[in-house]
Amino acid sequence: NAGVTQTPKFRVLKTGQSMTLLCAQDMNHEYMYWYRQDPGMGLRLIHYSVGEGTTAKGEVPDGYNVSRLKKQNFLLGLESAAPSQTSVYFCASRRTGGLNTEAFFGQGTRLTVV
Amino acid sequence: AQSVTQLGSHVSVSEGALVLLRCNYSSSVPPYLFWYVQYPNQGLQLLLKYTSAATLVKGINGFEAEFKKSETSFHLTKPSAHMSDAAEYFCAVSEKDTGRRALTFGSGTRLQVQP
Repeated sequence: NAGVTQTPKFRVLKTGQSMTLLCAQDMNHEYMYWYRQDPGMGLRLIHYSVGEGTTAKGEVPDGYNVSRLKKQNFLLGLESAAPSQTSVYFCASRRTGGLNTEAFFGQGTRLTVV
Repeated sequence: AQSVTQLGSHVSVSEGALVLLRCNYSSSVPPYLFWYVQYPNQGLQLLLKYTSAATLVKGINGFEAEFKKSETSFHLTKPSAHMSDAAEYFCAVSEKDTGRRALTFGSGTRLQVQP
């Protein structure tokens, strides 16, 4: 029972480079989310998906794109990385049902942009 | 929109002392509230959640939280701190009026446990 798996766990990018973060969940959850975590700011929602083939913007979407071609995968892309995107990125998934359902998180990806 | 505020970005206690981490929510309707814990270099793990069935909620690792509507609070407590409790703790609220059903997080409280 893997839950939510993120790859890679660590990455260093140069300014202007691109990369894709992969999130995979094996719980058949409809909802998936990408958050970024910065010191003193908690987790902020970047993009989210309410089902296969659908994506939408969260609070801090600029500089990121996402895709959800398969229900179990949610990809986060950085087309041209900037130092301001240095952060820890977390993917989460949540099943349909009541608002008290738990969100499950991956282990995180620590990204440094130099 | 629902939001949560965590008072105190850092809390330090001695081993064996009471742990109290504060969370206040802003919501015009009863909220769905959560506490998550993040150990160093790990993801977030659910400690407990409030679902309106009971105001005192018991979670894992001896933690509990009490929902107080009159104070709009959901503070996290543990009677006796262990060294292994050192971590960052996040209070979160489930969005109600949006289709995305996302969790909105507080800024976090880092708990340090002194020997």
